[in-house]
Formats: sequence, C-alpha cells, structure tokens
Amino acid sequence: EPEVTQTPSHQVTQMGQEVILRCVPISNHLYFYWYRQILGQKVEFLVSFYNNEISEKSEIFDDQFSVERPDGSNFTLKIRSTKLEDSAMYFCASRGGARRASSNEQFFGPGTRLTVL
Amino acid sequence: GNSVTQMEGPVTLSEEAFLTINCTYTATGYPSLFWYVQYPGEGLQLLLKATKADDKGSNKGFEATYRKETTSFHLEKGSVQVSDSAVYFCALSDPSLSGYSTLTFGKGTMLLVSP
Repeated sequence: EPEVTQTPSHQVTQMGQEVILRCVPISNHLYFYWYRQILGQKVEFLVSFYNNEISEKSEIFDDQFSVERPDGSNFTLKIRSTKLEDSAMYFCASRGGARRASSNEQFFGPGTRLTVL
Repeated sequence: GNSVTQMEGPVTLSEEAFLTINCTYTATGYPSLFWYVQYPGEGLQLLLKATKADDKGSNKGFEATYRKETTSFHLEKGSVQVSDSAVYFCALSDPSLSGYSTLTFGKGTMLLVSP
C-alpha cells in the first residue's frame, strides 16, 4: 500500500541554523501539505501546495519558511533560521482528487521531530 | 474561525470497556468531519469520516455521528482492545474557508487500554 514517507525521523539543530525536512508523497497525488504539532498542543496547518505553487498558508508560515518540490517526487519544508519555538513534530500529507472535495482523505507521513537547542 | 475541541486525555480503560471521546466543533460553513488515529511511531491515519449532518462514519468497530444541532462528532466503540491504544484526533475541513481541504485539528486524546 502506498504511503507518505518523511526523513529524518528526528532532527536536532542549533538556534539560527537552517533545516530542511523531507517528504515523499504518494506518487499520483496532486496536493501536498505541511502541518506541525508543538508538544501538548494542537496539530496546526502550515501550508498547502498544488501545481508547483503555494495554494494556502497560515499565519505561522512566515518568511522563515519555504516549501519546494524540487524533483517531482520530494516535497521539502525549509526553515531558514530556526528558533526555539520551532521545536515541534512536523507532518507532511498528500491528497489526490478534486480541489473542492473536502472529504478526500489526506494521507500523513510519520512525522519529523525537530528539536531546536 | 474554525476550531475543534476534544476531551483531555489520557483516557484509561480496561479491555472490552465502552469508549467515548467527545469532540465538538465550530465552523462557518458546512464542514466535513474526520477522526484520525496515530499509533506509536506512525503517522496520522484516517479512521472514519462524515461529510454531512446525520451521517455516521464507521470503521474497525468505531463510530461517530455528525450532529449539526450540537456541533459534535463524538467517537465511540463498544468494546476496546489493547491494540486500540493510540492518540485520536478529531478534525474538520471547511470548503467555505479552504478550497484546498486543509484540516483543522483538535489537540488529540490519548487512549490507553489495559488487559
């Protein structure tokens, strides 16, 4: 069964460093998402990506964040200069189907735990 | 804006006990509602969903009914197993706010089932 994969499973970095979190979505999916969950808090939407551009983003997704689909299979989230408050579990998700089919399932990866020291 | 509120965990039950995890929501439009489950070390998996009022989603013995009048989508199971131990997330997708089906999640409720 196809699945979304994410690497690394755990990333430790120093404050101010750049990190890139990697995701491989399900191969025939068209819509891609990043969410994060700070420990003990809600899973929060960061950004959605469709047709090689950002389709929606939340207030959290500021200029320090960027996403890219560099080679047609990977989907990356970059944080340019990490802050302590960026420590969280980051989930990638992908979805097939029509744009306005809100019932279409999003398939999630296992997450990358980012720890900023 | 939209929001989802779940009961605080952990919920601790003995095997074969009845489970209820409460979920209520606030939405501006007519959302679709979901329950996702996360087993230890794994990603979020869709457990069940309902797309309109009075729909009942069901899977693996779990059920939830979309109640528009009470804005609720409580998760129930008649007899839990140890293997049901996981974190359960209630979520909604509101097409009036997001054309790309972004999900709004609750905090998650940890379920621990003992033999």
